[in-house]
Amino acid sequence: SAVISQKPSRDICQRGTSLTIQCQVDSQVTMMFWYRQQPGQSLTLIATANQGSEATYESGFVIDKFPISRPNLTFSTLTVSNMSPEDSSIYLCSAMTGSYEQYFGPGTRLTVT
Amino acid sequence: QKEVEQDPGPLSVPEGAIVSLNCTYSNSAFQYFMWYRQYSRKGPELLMYTYSSGNKEDGRFTAQVDKSSKYISLFIRDSQPSDSATYLCAMKLGQAGTALIFGKGTTLSVSS
Repeated sequence: SAVISQKPSRDICQRGTSLTIQCQVDSQVTMMFWYRQQPGQSLTLIATANQGSEATYESGFVIDKFPISRPNLTFSTLTVSNMSPEDSSIYLCSAMTGSYEQYFGPGTRLTVT
Repeated sequence: QKEVEQDPGPLSVPEGAIVSLNCTYSNSAFQYFMWYRQYSRKGPELLMYTYSSGNKEDGRFTAQVDKSSKYISLFIRDSQPSDSATYLCAMKLGQAGTALIFGKGTTLSVSS
């Protein structure tokens, strides 16, 4: 298994600003992902964080809005840029060990005013 | 049609009841099937996973996959108030490195 921590756990931000969310895993993992969870909705995959190369984004998500870094096998960051109230959501970091077991962090609850 | 459909509930049962949670999916290429439990204001916790078709049992929990019907189930026996949470089904393709696709989650409340 993997234990995942995220910082910050919550934040309230003003429209037009940016927030960087950090994700730390307690062991080296093969894959890291970022998801968004909105009330009453499924977890939606934003992107796969690739170690040493650009992230792979899902349809509807772009690098300029959600830049992602993954400098090593245990750490990743997600930045939510130029925020609007529509970005208010829970952002979840996830890590995959092996080929199928996927674990989640506690989430970052973001409110944009 | 969404790839993964899950009735959001809410589902309310008395303590000790047998709970059945279900998901349907449209992509026949899905190979791995997971159930996650999410308590309020927490991240999803991996509960069970199954590869391809069949049943898997772990204590009070049983996961079933019927690939011919594109239907998966999670049964909880002797439900407890501590089982009150949102249960999310998730599935993925067989290729390494592909991410999970989630249902919306079913909110379960078990009353004592």
